[in-house]
Amino acid sequence: AIQMTQSPSSLSASVGDRVTITCRASQGIRDDLGWYQQKPGKAPKLLIYAASSLQNGVPSRFSGSGSGTDFTLTISSLQPEDFATYYCLQDNNYPWTFGQGTKVEIK
Amino acid sequence: EVQLVESGGGLVQPGGSLRLSCAASEFTFRNYDMTWVRQAPGKGLEWVSIIGGSGGDTYYADSVKGRFTISRDNSKNTLFLQMNSLRVEDTALYYCAKCSDPEMATIIPDSWGQGALVTVSS
Repeated sequence: AIQMTQSPSSLSASVGDRVTITCRASQGIRDDLGWYQQKPGKAPKLLIYAASSLQNGVPSRFSGSGSGTDFTLTISSLQPEDFATYYCLQDNNYPWTFGQGTKVEIK
Repeated sequence: EVQLVESGGGLVQPGGSLRLSCAASEFTFRNYDMTWVRQAPGKGLEWVSIIGGSGGDTYYADSVKGRFTISRDNSKNTLFLQMNSLRVEDTALYYCAKCSDPEMATIIPDSWGQGALVTVSS
């Protein structure tokens, strides 16, 4: 199974900060990667698919990049509603695998 | 708006069985792959299984292969997960999710239910 290594596991940031989260795949997965946001007690929400495509309705401050093994989710200017846990998911090969998650907390 | 409502969760003893259902509405169910994802209490997301729109193609996580069976009834717009030989480590919130339109060059899940809690304990 492809392993997805996500970092950092947590970070503290302030409103307005630029935040970057990375995911590394144990083997090449082209651009078959998505990013999700999950708030406590809620289902995950798709932010980015195909590594860099913004899901409908998601604010443009979210962006994704990368291909092959290294991927990045960037929040250009952190907003209060962005404090949550973020996960990457590879859908290149079964079994699909998630990263371990990154909890974004208020500084 | 896509609606996905899971049911069938509960408390079961180790070695027991449970069947989850997911009622889907507001989209053409048979046209989309469907998947199950679980989340143990306080832990991250774990992909469980996926089924093609016609029900012919299925895949599983290694942790559930041979014990869980995914299926669907397109006439009733319902997805199922039959869980046998349950273990304590299967305790989790189980989410049903609709996969994206393949014309988007991806089938990554884009809509999720609110989950059904399965607790395996003696």
